Amino acid sequence: AQRVTQPEKLLSVFKGAPVELKCNYSYSGSPELFWYVQYSRQRLQLLLRHISRESIKGFTADLNKGETSFHLKKPFAQEEDSAMYYCALGALQGAQKLVFGQGTRLTINP
Amino acid sequence: NAGVTQTPKFQVLKTGQSMTLQCAQDMNHNSMYWYRQDPGMGLRLIYYSASEGTTDKGEVPNGYNVSRLNKREFSLRLESAAPSQTSVYFCASRLRTSGGVDEQFFGPGTRLTVL
Repeated sequence: AQRVTQPEKLLSVFKGAPVELKCNYSYSGSPELFWYVQYSRQRLQLLLRHISRESIKGFTADLNKGETSFHLKKPFAQEEDSAMYYCALGALQGAQKLVFGQGTRLTINP
Repeated sequence: NAGVTQTPKFQVLKTGQSMTLQCAQDMNHNSMYWYRQDPGMGLRLIYYSASEGTTDKGEVPNGYNVSRLNKREFSLRLESAAPSQTSVYFCASRLRTSGGVDEQFFGPGTRLTVL
């Protein structure tokens, strides 16, 4: 069975500090991992995918298959990063469904 | 392009009432999804439709039915609403290409309260 765990419901850091949002997954096949973000009064939107290996808005995430983790990191947080972040898991090929984690609400303090 | 649209934005029902949540997308996507979002639970998949004419259960289908009316529209029906169905409902469509794009596009949500 597929499962995604985001252990922190709430995370608060100061502007300029590093940020790490944790995501662990359980899946027996080849995983495809995503981070989705929901800013205040905006729609849920894709932030990044592990397969793209991109940095979006200064965020990066590396898939660690040994630790079954896909943590989201940013070296210097900005106030506009305050949002709800969801980690999501899909199968690499064919599957239509995504499984989402419980979400982490990130607050950046000035 | 409007993207994914949902109606209504807000709804209050009494226990036992029925209603249909509407969703439409203008991006010509094959796959569409219905999720519910509850505090501390994240997004949970209710039903999805991989293509026009097909629907499948997700994680929490009980108490719901869906109809994929055509490629654009995917509706969610509550036949007899219960307070446990108080939630925010999101519709999404998915773009997946052989070129490596894979992204779900979400609607603005419907906030449903069942009294």
